[in-house]
Amino acid sequence: DQQVKQNSPSLSVQEGRISILNCDYTNSMFDYFLWYKKYPAEGPTFLISISSIKDKNEDGRFTVFLNKSAKHLSLHIVPSQPGDSAVYFCAASPVQGAQKLVFGQGTRLTINP
Amino acid sequence: DSGVTQTPKHLITATGQRVTLRCSPRSEDLSVYWYQQSLDQGLQFLIHYYNGEERAKGNILERFSAQQFPDLHSELNLSSLELGDSALYFCASSPSTLTGELFFGEGSRLTVL
Repeated sequence: DQQVKQNSPSLSVQEGRISILNCDYTNSMFDYFLWYKKYPAEGPTFLISISSIKDKNEDGRFTVFLNKSAKHLSLHIVPSQPGDSAVYFCAASPVQGAQKLVFGQGTRLTINP
Repeated sequence: DSGVTQTPKHLITATGQRVTLRCSPRSEDLSVYWYQQSLDQGLQFLIHYYNGEERAKGNILERFSAQQFPDLHSELNLSSLELGDSALYFCASSPSTLTGELFFGEGSRLTVL
């Protein structure tokens, strides 16, 4: 049972345009959501997070949107840059902390020059 | 560089064997987490240690065990290996149990033949 799903295994976007990565979850107890980015041969690195009391959190070019009624979150990257090419994982947890963190399968983002 | 060191980076072994994966967390971090990433899967939480004590278990098989030593480094022991144990094993650390912001190592790729 996959509680966190990233239905697009890959996404290709033109440099300078907006990249939108999507994530759906099934557990209504999830209250805390994060995005991680992973380059080849490296471990994932934390990107941005949001708690359920908010519907949007922004950090520079990265914005995460949360729609609790739809159990959906998305990561917007604008403008997209070649260095954003990576695999992006969304993760969710019913509590703050990593003990119950559930990861999606990842979406491979490719930014084309 | 996340500051988390994992060894070995690559390991090839045969079914039925036993291996030990090692993780050195960031110097300021007391929490160590182990994750398994099989092909095209998200990261699956295995186990969490905080300051030498086991705090939480995820989908960890009975053939697998872990420990965290007084110097805070951690080892993940995998025994009676099966083909399906082939995966990337990530270690991550954090300064607190209250954050989902983890610092991941580069991973240990285990191939069981």
